Amino acid sequence: DAKTTQPPSMDCAEGRAANLPCNHSTISGNEYVYWYRQIHSQGPQYIIHGLKNNETNEMASLIITEDRKSSTLILPHATLRDTAVYYCIVRVTSGTYKYIFGTGTRLKVLA
Amino acid sequence: GAVVSQHPSRVICKSGTSVKIECRSLDFQATTMFWYRQFPKQSLMLMATSNEGSKATYEQGVEKDKFLINHASLTLSTLTVTSAHPEDSSFYICSARKAGGEETQYFGPGTRLLVL
Repeated sequence: DAKTTQPPSMDCAEGRAANLPCNHSTISGNEYVYWYRQIHSQGPQYIIHGLKNNETNEMASLIITEDRKSSTLILPHATLRDTAVYYCIVRVTSGTYKYIFGTGTRLKVLA
Repeated sequence: GAVVSQHPSRVICKSGTSVKIECRSLDFQATTMFWYRQFPKQSLMLMATSNEGSKATYEQGVEKDKFLINHASLTLSTLTVTSAHPEDSSFYICSARKAGGEETQYFGPGTRLLVL
């Protein structure tokens, strides 16, 4: 199962872009990268996912490198409510497609 | 939408009793549901995968006789913590995957269990 590595914490100024990196150097060709975030004492919230191409939705953008060994989640204009733990997950491709959570990045958005 | 609910949101019980936690997909059918446990300041750890109409698959180190999982319908899975002890106190979170091939998991709000 592919593992992910993320920095344990990051700070970002309110209104600025937050760029959260993730390394997944053992990813297989058909494994997707998913991003979730967890605000304190809540269940994880889905943000975005991708396979090869960059993706954008109303919450964020996902940039995946050409070799797919790393990705970056971009929150274009961070707000205080974006303070959370962000998890990068590589979804297992066989069987039940389970997620293996890493330790995540604790993002603190500063006023 | 893809809304998942859990009940109860928090529960306190005495040591030795059993506690049941429900996980429901409110606006979609879920062939597969997952149960996670999260201790303070730690990440989510997958406990088991629950498939509708069949036995759950447990992760290594999770006691299947202690954590009973039932997935009797496409919208409901239950986790029963049997003979709970203080070390079972944790945040239990479920997720559901839509029937029909979409692989994204949608998570419930979690249930906080405190065993006295």
